Amino acid sequence: EAEVAQSPRYKITEKSQAVAFWCDPISGHATLYWYRQILGQGPELLVQFQDESVVDDSQLPKDRFSAERLKGVDSTLKIQPAELGDSAMYLCASSFFQGNYEQYFGPGTRLTVT
Amino acid sequence: AQSVTQLDSQVPVFEEAPVELRCNYSSSVSVYLFWYVQYPNQGLQLLLKYLSGSTLVKGINGFEAEFNKSQTSFHLRKPSVHISDTAEYFCAVSDNTNAGKSTFGDGTTLTVKP
Repeated sequence: EAEVAQSPRYKITEKSQAVAFWCDPISGHATLYWYRQILGQGPELLVQFQDESVVDDSQLPKDRFSAERLKGVDSTLKIQPAELGDSAMYLCASSFFQGNYEQYFGPGTRLTVT
Repeated sequence: AQSVTQLDSQVPVFEEAPVELRCNYSSSVSVYLFWYVQYPNQGLQLLLKYLSGSTLVKGINGFEAEFNKSQTSFHLRKPSVHISDTAEYFCAVSDNTNAGKSTFGDGTTLTVKP
């Protein structure tokens, strides 16, 4: 069964350092999502791509976060510089299309900023 | 804007007992509703979804949910739970506006005790 791949699974970094996460969605899925999940809360959408275009990044802290999906396939989320408050689980998900299609989630990257 | 409220943050229950996890939503347009399950240090997995049609929706692992438009609710139920159902459960809503953005509740921790 096809799965969403994410790497790394765990990342520990010091504040002010740069960090990057990678996501490879299920083949053929046009929509890709990056979520941040703080412990004890539900996932919060950071950015949504439709193919290679950003359709929603209203909750992305653009002064330090960036995301790209250059060829409309895999995606990278970057944080520079990392802050203590960025410690969270970063989840990637993909769906065939947006709206009423279910999202398939990767295993996530657990980020700890020290 | 849409929102999701999961009315119980924690639900303890004994094995083989029935359980209901409550979810209320608000939206100004027709919605699509989802329940996801998350096991520790993993991504989310879809349990079931309501897109249209019958208001009683059956999902995996013996779970079902009922869409109630007048009460704007989508409660999740299982007639007899197992130890393996211990996990975090998230209700989510999306629609065809705003690029089909999904909004998640803060989750309900289901703990099944022997």
